[in-house]
Amino acid sequence: QKEVEQNSGPLSVPEGAIASLNCTYSDRGSQSFFWYRQYSGKSPELIMSIYSNGDKEDGRFTAQLNKASQYVSLLIRDSQPSDSATYLCAVTGLPSGGSYIPTFGRGTSLIVHP
Amino acid sequence: DAGITQSPRYKITETGRQVTLMCHQTWSHSYMFWYRQDLGHGLRLIYYSAAADITDKGEVPDGYVVSRSKTENFPLTLESATRSQTSVYFCASRAGGSNEQFFGPGTRLTVL
Repeated sequence: QKEVEQNSGPLSVPEGAIASLNCTYSDRGSQSFFWYRQYSGKSPELIMSIYSNGDKEDGRFTAQLNKASQYVSLLIRDSQPSDSATYLCAVTGLPSGGSYIPTFGRGTSLIVHP
Repeated sequence: DAGITQSPRYKITETGRQVTLMCHQTWSHSYMFWYRQDLGHGLRLIYYSAAADITDKGEVPDGYVVSRSKTENFPLTLESATRSQTSVYFCASRAGGSNEQFFGPGTRLTVL
C-alpha cells in the first residue's frame, strides 16, 4: 500500500513569513512529485512539480525533494493571506498497467494571518 | 468552454436511485480519472481510463460504473446510490506522457 503522509495542520503563519509544508512517502520507487493547492470549496490546482533531488523554484514557491529520506517539501516565501488553503502532496511511482497513478496525501491546511 | 467541466455541479438524490455524473474535457487528454473527496480520507481514486474503451478500477470502485466511448467524456454512474456515497466528486485528466493532472470543478452529491 503506497502511502503519502502529511500533517493535517492547521499550520498558522503570519503574513510575510515563510510557510514550510512537508510530505513523506513510502514507495522508494516514486518518481514524480506534485503539490496542489485547494481553496475551500474548490478543486485542486497544480502549483509545483518536481522530479529530481534538490530544489525547484517558481516565484514565491520552492519545492524540495530528498529521495534518500523520502520526503518532499513546499516552501512559500512572503506568505500572503491569499495563500490560505489546503496543500495536497501527490506522488507517482512506477507505472501500474502502463499508467502512472498518483497517490495523494490528505493535505495540510495553511492559514496565513495578517 | 475549454478545459475540463463537470455536470451537474450540485445534485441531491435519494437512496436507491441511479445517478450519473458527467465529465468533459477539451484537451484531448488520453487519461481521465474520477476521485471522491471526503473529510478524513482525502482524495480517493474511484476509476480511471487510459483511453477510449479502456477503464480500470481505482481504490474505491464498488457501487460505481464508468464508461468511455469518446476520448472527451468520462461519465460516472452510481447504479443504486447509498448515503455513504455522499461526497464531492472530482474528475481529472492528463495527457499521455505527462504526470500532471488537471481537475474539474467538482460535483457535490448528497444522497438522502
